[in-house]
Amino acid sequence: DVKVTQSSRYLVKRTGEKVFLECVQDMDHENMFWYRQDPGLGLRLIYFSYDVKMKEKGDIPEGYSVSREKKERFSLILESASTNQTSMYLCASSPTAGTGPVGYTFGSGTRLTVV
Amino acid sequence: AQTVTQSQPEMSVQEAETVTLSCTYDTSENNYYLFWYKQPPSRQMILVIRQEAYKQQNATENRFSVNFQKAAKSFSLKISDSQLGDTAMYFCAFRSTSGTYKYIFGTGTRLKVLA
Repeated sequence: DVKVTQSSRYLVKRTGEKVFLECVQDMDHENMFWYRQDPGLGLRLIYFSYDVKMKEKGDIPEGYSVSREKKERFSLILESASTNQTSMYLCASSPTAGTGPVGYTFGSGTRLTVV
Repeated sequence: AQTVTQSQPEMSVQEAETVTLSCTYDTSENNYYLFWYKQPPSRQMILVIRQEAYKQQNATENRFSVNFQKAAKSFSLKISDSQLGDTAMYFCAFRSTSGTYKYIFGTGTRLKVLA
């Protein structure tokens, strides 16, 4: 069964810490995405990547960075965690265009709490 | 810029009955894809149904069907014979057929199926 795996389900970090959220997919997908999910706000795109070492800012990139050194792995980095980054973080992947309306495959999410 | 609006934050339905979740969107494009995603309490987001804008026929997947009204920019989800396992957050999503492969999500509708 194809998968998107997020390394942690729950994470508690202190303000000011550098935080790494890892996401690995085994479907050889070109595109990978990081969203944060907050009640009443839906899913908001933080960053995405359409190829190794390529990245683009989403709608809310401030305070975050990403790394994609290998096709299967897409990391989200909180440079200096703040309490307003407490949220659910969802990773997703998809194949590239030309394959019709293929949906995302999502990971199970990481619930991050910054104290 | 494209937007997706879900105007019903919460809904409930009796088991075995039918419920319709609303979604409207705004775009200047003529061709695009629309999706409904389901996020059960366990959090893994899964694709429920998809629609290509250039196809007039409404998509159907078992008990799930859509009412796609392109001129009105409306994309509602109908769940027939509701089951307890349909209890979840439902997100409507838009994706352009050109450019990047990122999705724009609505804010979600929390559906509760009552026994």
